[in-house]
Amino acid sequence: AQKVTQAQTEISVVEKEDVTLDCVYETRDTTYYLFWYKQPPSGELVFLIRRNSFDEQNEISGRYSWNFQKSTSSFNFTITASQVVDSAVYFCAARFLQGAQKLVFGQGTRLTINP
Amino acid sequence: DAGVIQSPRHEVTEMGQEVTLRCKPISGHNSLFWYRQTMMRGLELLIYFNNNVPIDDSGMPEDRFSAKMPNASFSTLKIQPSEPRDSAVYFCASSPGGRVVEKLFFGSGTQLSVL
Repeated sequence: AQKVTQAQTEISVVEKEDVTLDCVYETRDTTYYLFWYKQPPSGELVFLIRRNSFDEQNEISGRYSWNFQKSTSSFNFTITASQVVDSAVYFCAARFLQGAQKLVFGQGTRLTINP
Repeated sequence: DAGVIQSPRHEVTEMGQEVTLRCKPISGHNSLFWYRQTMMRGLELLIYFNNNVPIDDSGMPEDRFSAKMPNASFSTLKIQPSEPRDSAVYFCASSPGGRVVEKLFFGSGTQLSVL
C-alpha cells in the first residue's frame, strides 16, 4: 500500500513555542518524492518543500525545518519560534513512482498558534 | 504569472441540478488533477490528466461525476445530478509534466454546497 499518515489531527501551542508535525509514509518504491503543503484559513494550498527519496539531508528554511528519515519512513516538519501567522492546516504528501504518480495526501494537521 | 484559475469560487445549488466546475491550468503545464476536500475524507484525488488524456480516474466517486480536458488550457468537472453529499471544496492543480519529481500548483478551489 502507498499511504501517508499524519497522526496528529490538531495541535495548539502558544506563540514562540517550537512545534513538530509528524508525517509517516508507506511504500515499496525506491523512488518517490515527499512534500509539505500549507493551507491557511483562506483555503488555498501553498507548497512548502519537496524532498526526494535519495536525499536524507535535513533542510532548514528560516523558522521551518524538515527531518527526513528513511529508516522510520518519516518526514517531520518543525516550526521554531511559532507565530500566529503559522496557524493553518499542514498537509504531508507523496508522489510514488508506482500508482500513476499521483500526489497522495495525509489527513492534515490543524495547527493553532495562540498569542 | 497567473496561477491555476478555478471558477466559480462558490457554488450553491439544489439537489438534482447539474454542476460544472472549471479549471484553467498554468500555461505550459501538461498534467492536471482534480481533488476534493471534505472534513471526513480529507484531500482525495478524483482524476488525473496527462497531455489532456485521463490517466487515473479511479477516484471518481460514481457515474454522476465526469471530467473532461478538451485542450491543454481548460478542464471541467461535472456532477449530474448533484447530491448533498457532494458538498465539498474542489481543487484543481497542475504540474509541468507527469514526473514524480514535480510539485503541484493548486487553484483557490471551488466551494460547492448542494442543498
